[in-house]
Amino acid sequence: EDQVTQSPEALRLQEGESSSLNCSYTVSGLRGLFWYRQDPGKGPEFLFTLYSAGEEKEKERLKATLTKKESFLHITAPKPEDSATYLCAVQAFSNYQLIWGAGTKLIIKP
Amino acid sequence: SQTIHQWPATLVQPVGSPLSLECTVEGTSNPNLYWYRQAAGRGLQLLFYSVGIGQISSEVPQNLSASRPQDRQFILSSKKLLLSDSGFYLCAWSTRDRGHEQYFGPGTRLTVT
Repeated sequence: EDQVTQSPEALRLQEGESSSLNCSYTVSGLRGLFWYRQDPGKGPEFLFTLYSAGEEKEKERLKATLTKKESFLHITAPKPEDSATYLCAVQAFSNYQLIWGAGTKLIIKP
Repeated sequence: SQTIHQWPATLVQPVGSPLSLECTVEGTSNPNLYWYRQAAGRGLQLLFYSVGIGQISSEVPQNLSASRPQDRQFILSSKKLLLSDSGFYLCAWSTRDRGHEQYFGPGTRLTVT
């Protein structure tokens, strides 16, 4: 069965304290892995798509990496405005559906 | 650039009342369209998706229905709401090609009382 597990459920960091969020997945043929940011009461905002193991993408303080079993979202020197829930999803070759993780709630304290 | 709209932003409805949520997309043609529901602290649950006008696929058996009367319009409906229908409803679009990301609207917070 295709599934996505994100850890930790919540992460509290001090401003400037770098860390990583994990997205472990099981899928029969990975088409793509997607990272989103969601602020409270708003729709998810697209961040990255990763297609193959070894691929990396960066945007400001965020860097996403991909292996055959998991993806990491590294956040370097975070600021309070990086506080949000980060969602991971995977898409298999077999259909259009995205399989979603439950998200990691990131809180950055000033 | 592409824009996706949803309305209303919030809605409070009594049990047994009907529901109509609307989603429209601008700046693209022939998109795939999706309706999701998000419960607090949980992942997104796909309710319906559509690859074209009048083509609707349902993922979860329930008292909700969806329609796509125009290429860039997607409507979520119910004849009689249940308490369990409360949640955050999100509309999204993607290109027809597989392997492409979905883009989300601002969402509708529905509370059934």
